[in-house]
Amino acid sequence: ETGVTQTPRHLVMGMTNKKSLKCEQHLGHNAMYWYKQSAKKPLELMFVYSLEERVENNSVPSRFSPECPNSSHLFLHLHTLQPEDSALYLCASSRDRAGAEAFFGQGTRLTVV
Amino acid sequence: DAKTTQPPSMDCAEGRAANLPCNHSTISGNEYVYWYRQIHSQGPQYIIHGLKNNETNEMASLIITEDRKSSTLILPHATLRDTAVYYCIVRVYSSASKIIFGSGTRLSIRP
Repeated sequence: ETGVTQTPRHLVMGMTNKKSLKCEQHLGHNAMYWYKQSAKKPLELMFVYSLEERVENNSVPSRFSPECPNSSHLFLHLHTLQPEDSALYLCASSRDRAGAEAFFGQGTRLTVV
Repeated sequence: DAKTTQPPSMDCAEGRAANLPCNHSTISGNEYVYWYRQIHSQGPQYIIHGLKNNETNEMASLIITEDRKSSTLILPHATLRDTAVYYCIVRVYSSASKIIFGSGTRLSIRP
């Protein structure tokens, strides 16, 4: 138990669906992250939020839309995804962006059909 | 942030010390060495980090060479639960620095 909780753990969605991934942390951290991990590839940093403000977007397609309503919650809204978007989506948080260590959730295994 | 090089895979007998090397020959003076691991289908787990002194915690020890161009993560008594991919990351303690993962070392612990 890392203190970072992601829901759902598994999600299957069609290409025309809209769904959201949720991440919650009660560690008092100010920075939150979304990572994507495709099969047999390293983790890819997608978005960085600091104090609820998006500070980094690593050329992620607009079909992925993050939202950070407060410092404890982070969402990733998904719409019109492609099968190649199937991956493990990981949320992490750290005390601040300088971040000595990041705490990761268990991830959401997403399958797009 | 400096680049790191790790062997793609290693194995170790259960109960023995697992020594995982990392090369970071271009490391600069203000860059820290971090280690994470990822057990299959779980999120990465922070293990330890250091700047230039050796560090030890309940999970592992980190040995950094005097010239800081390489480091070794030591799991003193490996168990089957230590089977995972281990990532060595070098980064500045700065809000401008990202936590970027490479391919890591896949450590297999054999009974």
